[in-house]
Amino acid sequence: AQSVTQLGSHVSVSEGALVLLRCNYSSSVPPYLFWYVQYPNQGLQLLLKYTSAATLVKGINGFEAEFKKSETSFHLTKPSAHMSDAAEYFCAVSDPPGGYNKLIFGAGTRLAVHP
Amino acid sequence: SAVISQKPSRDICQRGTSLTIQCQVDSQVTMMFWYRQQPGQSLTLIATANQGSEATYESGFVIDKFPISRPNLTFSTLTVSNMSPEDSSIYLCSVGTVNTEAFFGQGTRLTVV
Repeated sequence: AQSVTQLGSHVSVSEGALVLLRCNYSSSVPPYLFWYVQYPNQGLQLLLKYTSAATLVKGINGFEAEFKKSETSFHLTKPSAHMSDAAEYFCAVSDPPGGYNKLIFGAGTRLAVHP
Repeated sequence: SAVISQKPSRDICQRGTSLTIQCQVDSQVTMMFWYRQQPGQSLTLIATANQGSEATYESGFVIDKFPISRPNLTFSTLTVSNMSPEDSSIYLCSVGTVNTEAFFGQGTRLTVV
């Protein structure tokens, strides 16, 4: 069965600093992986997705993630944090693998950005 | 991308009552799902809404508590029945097709008092 682990329920960075949100997955076959962002009182918005093409995936708002099979990881990064990046971030894996829609979510990481 | 309208956006309900949440999509979609997000928690899949047939429920969720309808490819409802304070959550509709990622509605914030 697929599963997702997000290390760190809260991450705090200064404006302009590197953002690194960690995600590790468990899957018996090559998965599809996703990062979603949730702003307060809103639904989820897709940041980026990995679907077995390029291992380095670029998304919206300057975010990117690298799929590392050997480490079963899909960490989300952004070189320079902006105040507007403060939100909840969810890593998700598709179930069954290779599908786009039915998702298993990690616990989420709340990102705080300080001036 | 799909535009999803979810109603109501929020509600406060008395325990023991039921609330029906609607999800309307602006285009035909293959897949529709309902998720629950309890306060401060992640999203948990309740069920897959199947067009013209009974929904497929995940472990821990039952039809008597969360009846779901999907009469066509653009519309689904989720009912939260016989509510208790533990049902206070955000309920989200998610849609997609075979070749697209999942899109989410804005959610329904339910408070049971």
